[in-house]
Amino acid sequence: SAVISQKPSRDICQRGTSLTIQCQVDSQVTMMFWYRQQPGQSLTLIATANQGSEATYESGFVIDKFPISRPNLTFSTLTVSNLSPEDSSIYLCSVELTGYEQYFGPGTRLTVT
Amino acid sequence: AQSVTQLDSQVPVFEEAPVELRCNYSSSVSVYLFWYVQYPNQGLQLLLKYLSGSTLVKGINGFEAEFNKSQTSFHLRKPSVHISDTAEYFCAGLKAAGNKLTFGGGTRVLVKP
Repeated sequence: SAVISQKPSRDICQRGTSLTIQCQVDSQVTMMFWYRQQPGQSLTLIATANQGSEATYESGFVIDKFPISRPNLTFSTLTVSNLSPEDSSIYLCSVELTGYEQYFGPGTRLTVT
Repeated sequence: AQSVTQLDSQVPVFEEAPVELRCNYSSSVSVYLFWYVQYPNQGLQLLLKYLSGSTLVKGINGFEAEFNKSQTSFHLRKPSVHISDTAEYFCAGLKAAGNKLTFGGGTRVLVKP
C-alpha cells in the first residue's frame, strides 16, 4: 500500500481566487490521479498526472481551470482557479500501485463563498 | 450510459444482519473491478478487487464479492454488519483501454442498532 497525504485538509475560499492542493506519497509512483467529489456525488476523474509529461485531462476539465504540476515521482499539485461556488467539492488524489490498485488520499474539502 | 451502476443509493440494515450491495458493469469497462469504502470525512479505502481467477473474492473487514460474467455483476456482501460499517461504498471498474477508474454512484449503508 501507500501512505498519501493532502494539504490542506479543508479550506474556505472567496469567489474568484484560487486554491492549490498538494498531494504527497511516501513512495515513488508513476501514475497519479486527481478526482472531484461533488456534494453527495460519486467521484469524477479530473486528470491523470505522470511525472515528466503534461497532465491528461478528462472531458469537461481544462488546464486553465485545473492546472496540475508533477515535479517528481512523489508529489503533485492541483490548482482550482477562478473559484465559483460550483467548485465546492472534495478533491482527492490517488496513486496506482501494482495490480491496478489505486490508493487515495484523505481528500481536500473546498468551500467557495 | 454509465459504465458502472450501483442499483441502490441507500441501504438501511440492522446490526448483525447481512447486507448485499449491488453493482453492474457495462462492456465499456474491463473485467477489473473494485469495491471501495468511504467512511465519513475520509478518503477511499480499497475493500477488494477482482482481476482474474476465482470469482469469489474476499476482502478486508469480512466483506466478499462475487464476479458474475453472465450477469455482468459484482455484488458485495457481508454476512453480519457492525455499526462501524456505516459508510458509503463505491463499485469501480477500469475502462477497457487504459487504467482509469470509473465509479458507480455509490451506496450509502446505514447500520442501525
